[in-house]
Parts: sequence; structure tokens; C-alpha cells
Amino acid sequence: RKEVEQDPGPFNVPEGATVAFNCTYSNSASQSFFWYRQDCRKEPKLLMSVYSSGNEDGRFTAQLNRASQYISLLIRDSKLSDSATYLCVVIIRGGSYIPTFGRGTSLIVHP
Amino acid sequence: DTGVSQNPRHKITKRGQNVTFRCDPISEHNRLYWYRQTLGQGPEFLTYFQNEAQLEKSRLLSDRFSAERPKGSFSTLEIQRTEQGDSAMYLCASSSQTYSDGTEAFFGQGTRLTVV
Repeated sequence: RKEVEQDPGPFNVPEGATVAFNCTYSNSASQSFFWYRQDCRKEPKLLMSVYSSGNEDGRFTAQLNRASQYISLLIRDSKLSDSATYLCVVIIRGGSYIPTFGRGTSLIVHP
Repeated sequence: DTGVSQNPRHKITKRGQNVTFRCDPISEHNRLYWYRQTLGQGPEFLTYFQNEAQLEKSRLLSDRFSAERPKGSFSTLEIQRTEQGDSAMYLCASSSQTYSDGTEAFFGQGTRLTVV
């Protein structure tokens, strides 16, 4: 079983839709969580950190469920420019704190 | 210094040749990571440095791969006797050890390697 799992999609949604992605992690010692965005043939860029209490940044909401070992990303009022791959990242407590990536979920927002 | 810099951006090489990539991290960052990414996959961890010490290596890093960070600043990743399966995007990332837990990593634009 992979340490970080994501549905690769693609998720095809119309502009203005609300879409949610989940990401599950296998190591209960996972401590820090992030969502990165990656555009086609570009490097990953941090979208937002995920805090235990959940957090919101404009149209984006991230939540953490430690009991079920998953994090989620909700995008409201989708824009064409939101089309990208969204990568879930987990850092495990102790050791070398190496960011471990999921394979990413592809989002396509169409007019 | 506005970010992580990698060069070259693209490299085409013949099978069996050696290649070397360079990464210049954000100057105050003591942690440096190398990842490899193939189409449709997320970045896969290769190796990690804290300052000049190489603290962890993935099983993906065969003996044809070697990485250095001699003065705790820039890093190089060398692949010897390249194979077609080495074709991928090689990403470098850096982060600071500001907190006891992990902090976000900043990525360079990557080096796209094609082995023909």
C-alpha cells in the first residue's frame, strides 16, 4: 500500500462548480500536511498547509481527519484557471521530515 | 535569490552517457531534496541533505546515481551510464528547519531528462 493515495481523476467540472478531493495516508505518525498545485510541465507549488482545525483560503478549504487518516481539499466556485493537478503531501513525525507526495488528482474546469 | 534554481532545464543524452544536474536552493534553507517525476505520477523521493550531510536515500537511487552537497549550499545529482528508464523530470526542493516539524518545501523548475 502506498503511503499517500489519491484518486488520479480527472475530475471534469463546469465553471462555478464545487469540487472536493480526498487523500488518504497510511502512517499514523504523519504530522504535517499540505496541498500543492502543479500545472502541466511545471514544478509543484504550495497551495495551502492543512491544519488540524481545518483552514480556509478564499475559495479553498482544507480539512484533516486524523481518525480516518485523510485530508481533503474543497474548491468552491471553480474557475478555468483552477485546472491543474493537485498533489497531497504528508510529512511523517520524527526521522528526516521528508515530504511524501501522492500521485496527484487532475482537475479540469470547463466553460 | 528569489527561489530554487535548477540547470540545465532540459537534457537529451544518449543511453550509456553520464549526466549531471545542479540545484541551487534558497540561500537560508538547510534542507535539500531531490525527487524524480514521471508522467502521471507524483514526485518520488530520491535523496535528502541537511546542510552537507546526505541523511537519507531512497531505494530508487541505484548505484548509478550519486548526489553531493559539498558545502551545504548547491547540490549536484549525477547519473552514470544512463538508461531509457531514467527519462523523467528531476526536481530539487529546499526547506528550512524553522520548526520541529516539517515545513513547506519550495521546488525548482526541474531538469527534464530524455535518454535516447
